[in-house]
Amino acid sequence: EAGVAQSPRYKIIEKRQSVAFWCNPISGHATLYWYQQILGQGPKLLIQFQNNGVVDDSQLPKDRFSAERLKGVDSTLKIQPAKLEDSAVYLCASSQTRGSSGNTIYFGEGSWLTVV
Amino acid sequence: QKEVEQNSGPLSVPEGAIASLNCTYSDRGSQSFFWYRQYSGKSPELIMSIYSNGDKEDGRFTAQLNKASQYVSLLIRDSQPSDSATYLCASRDNYGQNFVFGPGTRLSVLP
Repeated sequence: EAGVAQSPRYKIIEKRQSVAFWCNPISGHATLYWYQQILGQGPKLLIQFQNNGVVDDSQLPKDRFSAERLKGVDSTLKIQPAKLEDSAVYLCASSQTRGSSGNTIYFGEGSWLTVV
Repeated sequence: QKEVEQNSGPLSVPEGAIASLNCTYSDRGSQSFFWYRQYSGKSPELIMSIYSNGDKEDGRFTAQLNKASQYVSLLIRDSQPSDSATYLCASRDNYGQNFVFGPGTRLSVLP
């Protein structure tokens, strides 16, 4: 079974530029998450989708971050304009139905962003 | 605000010893708990999940859950240098709204 796919793996941009990250979840997984992990910290949830609807985006800085999951499969996370403090790993994860206590989440390899 | 707390470490143990990692959580509605291992530069990978009070064993790993104390722990027996990594504790509520991660504990197993 293929895992969570993410691209690009690494990106270096200047502040105020824009960047987009792509994620393809595990086949059949209805729930998709985007996490931000700053070096030395645990992952912080940015946004959670159930199929193509947003479940939780309370910690997403909506003035600069946006995300979509058209057709309930792939997802894109965009940052525009980027700030220095956005330098982090952006982890995409997926799980089956969110209502089942037995389900856990599986992470992709992450997209490493450096803003200079 | 739902929080998961962990000592950041580093926790150093000699090879062959038992490593004990601890975690507390604030949300009494949390029902499921997970331990992830994260090697430097890599994404988190699931080690164990636990849902009921008591112990759950899987090979060299034992997870312990005490919901009354809002406490979760992970014991690693016969620690190996390859166990050196950051261990993330995570909780999830009964509705699966989201996974909340702690900051992680860095473990170093010394040869």
